[in-house]
Amino acid sequence: DAMVIQNPRYQVTQFGKPVTLSCSQTLNHNVMYWYQQKSSQAPKLLFHYYDKDFNNEADTPDNFQSRRPNTSFCFLDIRSPGLGDAAMYLCATSRDLAGGPDTQYFGPGTRLTVL
Amino acid sequence: GQNIDQPTEMTATEGAIVQINCTYQTSGFNGLFWYQQHAGEAPTFLSYNVLDGLEEKGRFSSFLSRSKGYSYLLLKELQMKDSASYLCAVMDSNYQLIWGAGTKLIIKP
Repeated sequence: DAMVIQNPRYQVTQFGKPVTLSCSQTLNHNVMYWYQQKSSQAPKLLFHYYDKDFNNEADTPDNFQSRRPNTSFCFLDIRSPGLGDAAMYLCATSRDLAGGPDTQYFGPGTRLTVL
Repeated sequence: GQNIDQPTEMTATEGAIVQINCTYQTSGFNGLFWYQQHAGEAPTFLSYNVLDGLEEKGRFSSFLSRSKGYSYLLLKELQMKDSASYLCAVMDSNYQLIWGAGTKLIIKP
């Protein structure tokens, strides 16, 4: 089945130790998003790619970087994780940026713990 | 600024009906979405409204009034598996999704 896959589902890292989260999609969608969601809070958009064009949200810390080597894969790199970066990280895709039903498909998320 | 308001938590009884409200103030409007999110899982799409009125999909219905900046999600014949958070999100004029913090729905037998 076409889907959005995130690996790993659970990631534990140490304070300051770089970590990479991965997302892949078989939907052949143009847009891939990374969200951060903390408990009982709204998902917070970190950045998105439209094809190879990278769009960073103004308030996304420099500690967060992203790579999209091809249509199917997108990575979230956290260069020096702090305790405040512990959260669920959600990857989503959409066919295009324009609105419409079923606009964003989410992966299962990666829960990051920082020790 | 842009904001989405919805109640933090609601409780309802199995078999009953519950209405979850959402009000929004955004720069532009390109549709309103409701997502269901079980604890520790990703949001899953429930409904989309772009025109005023009621959209019905099985046990779930969603209503929109653009002039009032208001939507609700109506869940009928509640089942225990409906215990989850329900997130309201609005697509603004830049086609960005603005998310509410979600309403945690607790279903009691």
